[in-house]
Amino acid sequence: EIVLTQSPATLSLSPGERATLSCRASQSISSYLAWYQQRPGQAPRLLLYEASNRVTGIPARFSGSGSGTDFTLTINSLEPEDFAVYYCQHRRNWPLTFGGGTRVEIK
Amino acid sequence: QVQLVESGGGVVQPGRSLRVSCAASGFTFNSYAMHWVRQAPGKGLEWVAVVSYDGSNQFYVDSVKGRFTISRDNSKNTLYLQMNSLSVEDTAVYYCAKERENHYFDYWGQGTLVTVSS
Repeated sequence: EIVLTQSPATLSLSPGERATLSCRASQSISSYLAWYQQRPGQAPRLLLYEASNRVTGIPARFSGSGSGTDFTLTINSLEPEDFAVYYCQHRRNWPLTFGGGTRVEIK
Repeated sequence: QVQLVESGGGVVQPGRSLRVSCAASGFTFNSYAMHWVRQAPGKGLEWVAVVSYDGSNQFYVDSVKGRFTISRDNSKNTLYLQMNSLSVEDTAVYYCAKERENHYFDYWGQGTLVTVSS
């Protein structure tokens, strides 16, 4: 099973600041990584897939990078609605797994 | 628009069974693999199972193998998860999710809460 480790667990930032979230895989997963956003009381929402491809309708301030074992989600200029929990997920093999999540909270 | 509506959750005693369902609409259901993902209260996401577009293939996370069965009825646009021998560790919100392609999830239901408690 591929383990995804997200860091930090919590990120405290102010609106307008940049958020940098990390996801590290226990073995190489090529670019087979997605990022999801989950707001309180809501289902997750797909933001990016294959590490860097933004889903239609997702704002350009969300970007992703990385390959192999190290990946980054960057949110430029945080908007109030961006304060949420973010999860990474791989598709390299079964079972699919998610990272433990990073909570982006208002400082 | 795509809609996924789960139902069937509730409180069940340890060792008992429960079946949850997911009614799909707004897309060609029989063209897409479908998944169940769960989230224990206050915890992260855990992928549970997948069924192929035609129901011929299934995969499961190890913790539910032999206890849970995923299935689908394409004539009814409905996904199912039969859960047997439930334990307290199975307490979670169960989401059904449509596969975008290549095992990513582009649409999710609102979830149904399953509570296993004596």
